[in-house]
Parts: sequence; C-alpha cells; structure tokens
Amino acid sequence: AQKVTQAQTEISVVEKEDVTLDCVYETRDTTYYLFWYKQPPSGELVFLIRRNSFDEQNEISGRYSWNFQKSTSSFNFTITASQVVDSAVYFCALSEAQDTDKLIFGTGTRLQVFP
Amino acid sequence: SAVISQKPSRDICQRGTSLTIQCQVDSQVTMMFWYRQQPGQSLTLIATANQGSEATYESGFVIDKFPISRPNLTFSTLTVSNMSPEDSSIYLCSVGASGRVSSTDTQYFGPGTRLTVL
Repeated sequence: AQKVTQAQTEISVVEKEDVTLDCVYETRDTTYYLFWYKQPPSGELVFLIRRNSFDEQNEISGRYSWNFQKSTSSFNFTITASQVVDSAVYFCALSEAQDTDKLIFGTGTRLQVFP
Repeated sequence: SAVISQKPSRDICQRGTSLTIQCQVDSQVTMMFWYRQQPGQSLTLIATANQGSEATYESGFVIDKFPISRPNLTFSTLTVSNMSPEDSSIYLCSVGASGRVSSTDTQYFGPGTRLTVL
C-alpha cells in the first residue's frame, strides 16, 4: 500500500542554519510522482516541486534543494541558510500512476525558524 | 498555474447546520478535488469532481454528508451537511496544472476555507 512518512513532526532552527526535512515513501508502483508543498500560517498550500520516479537527479532552486534516492525510498528537502519566512508546515506527497490523481500526503513537518 | 479562489475564507457555524464552500478557477479544468485538513493533521482527499458526472468519493466520505456540485468547468461547491464539531477543519479545493488532470499532473490548491463548528 502507498504511504508517505515524515518522521520529524517539528524542527526548530535559528536563522541561517541549514535544515533537512525527511520524507520516506512506500509504493508498489514503478511509476510514481513525489511532491513537496509548503503551508505557511495563512493556510494555503504552495507547490514547491514535483519529481517523477524515473528522474533521480537532484534539484536545486535557490536556497532549496531536493535529494531523491530510490534505493532508500527517500525524497529529502534541504533549506540552506534558513530564514524566518521559511517557517511553515512542509508536506511531502506521493501519487501513483495506477491510482490516477490521488495525492497521498505525509503528516507534515512543522519548521520554525527563529531570528 | 491556475488561480484558485475559495469562499468563504473562514466561517464559524452552529452544530446541525450546513455550509456550502465555493471554489472558482480562472481557467477551465476537467477535474477538481476537495480535501479536508483536520486541526494539526495532514490532508485527506474527500472526493474528485468531474464536470458532468457524479463526484467520486474516497473511503470514509459519503455524498449525503459532503454533497458536491460541478456545474461547469471553472466552478465547484462542497457542502458540509449537518455539521458537528468534528467537522472543524480546513477544506481545500485543488486542480491539475494542465486542466486535463492526469496522474502526471501537479495539483495546485486554493487558499482553503477554515471552518469551526461550535
């Protein structure tokens, strides 16, 4: 069965620290898609990245980077030089080709960045 | 990505009443999705709304409790019926990036409706 695990419920860091948010997924599908979303205190869900199962290349976007490793079924998210505005709940999610359109979310990691 | 709006943004309702949440998209989309996020919890898919057909509900959600309308390609409503305090949640609608929505699509979310039931 499909499942997304975010073992870190809450992380606190001081500004300018680097922080990594872990995501481990389970799926029997060979074709699947992984996502990260950010939910700031205002409540809206902001899309950050999508990765398909055939593309293990790591990605960097500004201070954000993602490490996708199929061997460990992980899709970790690193924020470099964190800022107060990064404070939010971050969700990792999975969708499978066999079960179209359904996003399975992890439980989220609350990141607090203190000045 | 599509611009998605929801009304109301928040509401406080009495037990036993019903609330209809509206979701408007600035472009035509094939499918729209409704999610629930209970306090401190993750998001759970309630149903998929395809224009011109009945919504498809996930396990644990029923049409009598969460009736959905999809009158056209840019609009949908979700009604939370006969509310109880356990229905207090954020309700979010989403659409696929391409408008078609397939398993390869990224879903973009509306701002959510924060519902409190007393």
